[in-house]
Parts: sequence; C-alpha cells; structure tokens
Amino acid sequence: EDQVTQSPEALRLQEGESSSLNCSYTVSGLRGLFWYRQDPGKGPEFLFTLYSAGEEKEKERLKATLTKKESFLHITAPKPEDSATYLCAVQVNRGGGFKTIFGAGTRLFVKA
Amino acid sequence: DTGVSQNPRHKITKRGQNVTFRCDPISEHNRLYWYRQTLGQGPEFLTYFQNEAQLEKSRLLSDRFSAERPKGSFSTLEIQRTEQGDSAMYLCASSSWTGTSGGDTQYFGPGTRLTVL
Repeated sequence: EDQVTQSPEALRLQEGESSSLNCSYTVSGLRGLFWYRQDPGKGPEFLFTLYSAGEEKEKERLKATLTKKESFLHITAPKPEDSATYLCAVQVNRGGGFKTIFGAGTRLFVKA
Repeated sequence: DTGVSQNPRHKITKRGQNVTFRCDPISEHNRLYWYRQTLGQGPEFLTYFQNEAQLEKSRLLSDRFSAERPKGSFSTLEIQRTEQGDSAMYLCASSSWTGTSGGDTQYFGPGTRLTVL
C-alpha cells in the first residue's frame, strides 16, 4: 500500500539552529514529490516539486532533496517566521491517471 | 494572479442539514481538486475534475457528497445530511495539467472550515 511518512512529528528549534525534516515514501510509479508549507487555519502553500532522485531545489532558507526512498527539507538558520507545518506529498501513477498522497506533516516551531 | 478562492471560509451547521461550498480555481487551470483535512493530518483526496469531467472519486466520498464543475471553471462540493464526522477543513486546489511527463503541481485555496453541531 502507498505510504508517506514524515518525521519528526514536531520539531522545536532556536533561531539560527539549522535542521532537516524527513519524508519517506513507499510507493511505485512516482511521478513527483511536493513540499508545502501550511500556516494554522490556512491552505497549503506550494514550495517545491522534485521529480527524480538526486534533484535539489532551493528557496531562501529552504533546500529540498530527493532520493529513491525519501526526501529531506533542510532549513538553514531558521527564523521565527519559518514556524509552520511542512507537508510532503507524493504523486503516483494509478490506473489511467495518478493520485496524490500527503504525509501528516512536521510542525516546526522556531523560537527567537 | 488572484489565486484559488473558496467560499464560505467558515460554515457552522446542525447535524442533518445540507451544505454547499464553492471553489474558484486559478484562471485557465484545467484541473480542480477537492481534499478534506482534519486536525493534525495531511489533506486527504476526495475527487478531481479535468475541465468539466469528474475523473476520480475517493472511497472517502460517500453518497452524501457530490461535486460538480459545470462549465469547467468554478466547482461546488455539496454535503447532504451532514454528520459530526464531516467536521473538517475542505480544501480546493487547481493545476494546469499539460499531459506531459512529470508531476501535476497543485495550488491550494484557503479552505472552508466546516463545523457540524
């Protein structure tokens, strides 16, 4: 069965303390892996799409990487405004189309 | 770029009532998705449209749920005879699918928070 697991469930960092969030997946027919940021009470905000192992993308303090079994979201020198839930989603081939499966997210808290 | 919009943002209803939500996708996006999200979980897929055709429905979408996208633009999601278990955030997303290889990047709206009393 297709599975997406994010770890840790919650992460508390001091401002400037770099760390990584993990998204591991067990699927077949991967079309793409997506990272989103979600603030409380709001819809997910798109961050990155990764298509193949070895691919990396960066945006400000965030860098996403992809292997055949997992993806990492690296946060360098985080600031309090980076506090949010970070969601990972994988898209897989199914039947004549595809489906998108989200992980439960990692809740990031950055303290000043 | 106006983004995906959803209305209403909040809905409180009594058990057994019907509710309808609206989603306006990003202009010219041909795909539109509905998801449901409960506290502490990621969004769960409900259904999606390509233009006006509904291409897939999740097993989560019981016969009390119906979705339409009559002219391939906005979409509505109706829940009949609401139950307390329907309380959740209902998210809409849209994408511009070209049919080429690779993933389909979805852009989300702000969601509609449903509370069933």
